Amino acid sequence: DTAVSQTPKYLVTQMGNDKSIKCEQNLGHDTMYWYKQDSKKFLKIMFSYNNKELIINETVPNRFSPKSPDKAHLNLHINSLELGDSAVYFCASSQEGTAGGYTFGSGTRLTVV
Amino acid sequence: DAKTTQPNSMESNEEEPVHLPCNHSTISGTDYIHWYRQLPSQGPEYVIHGLTSNVNNRMASLAIAEDRKSSTLILHRATLRDAAVYYCILRDLNFGNEKLTFGTGTRLTIIP
Repeated sequence: DTAVSQTPKYLVTQMGNDKSIKCEQNLGHDTMYWYKQDSKKFLKIMFSYNNKELIINETVPNRFSPKSPDKAHLNLHINSLELGDSAVYFCASSQEGTAGGYTFGSGTRLTVV
Repeated sequence: DAKTTQPNSMESNEEEPVHLPCNHSTISGTDYIHWYRQLPSQGPEYVIHGLTSNVNNRMASLAIAEDRKSSTLILHRATLRDAAVYYCILRDLNFGNEKLTFGTGTRLTIIP
């Protein structure tokens, strides 16, 4: 039973398109995140949500819009895709106020052509 | 965010212990020391964390210096499956602004 699941695993699309990546966690965590890993393998946080409320927005272009319908889901919608958006996107979850680890999904590899 | 310093890469022979060092000289009293690893083509995976005392779990051991300015992740018997990038991260339970900030990590190569 996957703890943090992302769909799709692979996404190939043309420049200018709009696409969404979905994330769900069944751990009962109250905080969820989106991270981006670029071609140089550097992992950088994009957003965090706590109980459906946006907490962190790390100067991500407003073409990226996260949406959290409930605390178990955090989706990422990207408008007008650009070549530079090609990367692996990871969803993660944690429980606020506890020292335990984050749980990451297996990633979505987005390729913009 | 307090910073950590790790070697870019390390090699170890299979079935031998591996000691992965991390320096965090600016650690604050409320920072937890977390270790994650990322296997090829996978998401980061939590390994272990600690605050002041040494910690053991089924994956690894964490040895924390008395002054907390450094720590060492110990894999007791490396296998080929342990080849990964290992990240040492300081986590401050900052309510309302919690996040993990990844550095460049240590790429561990296991030699058969």
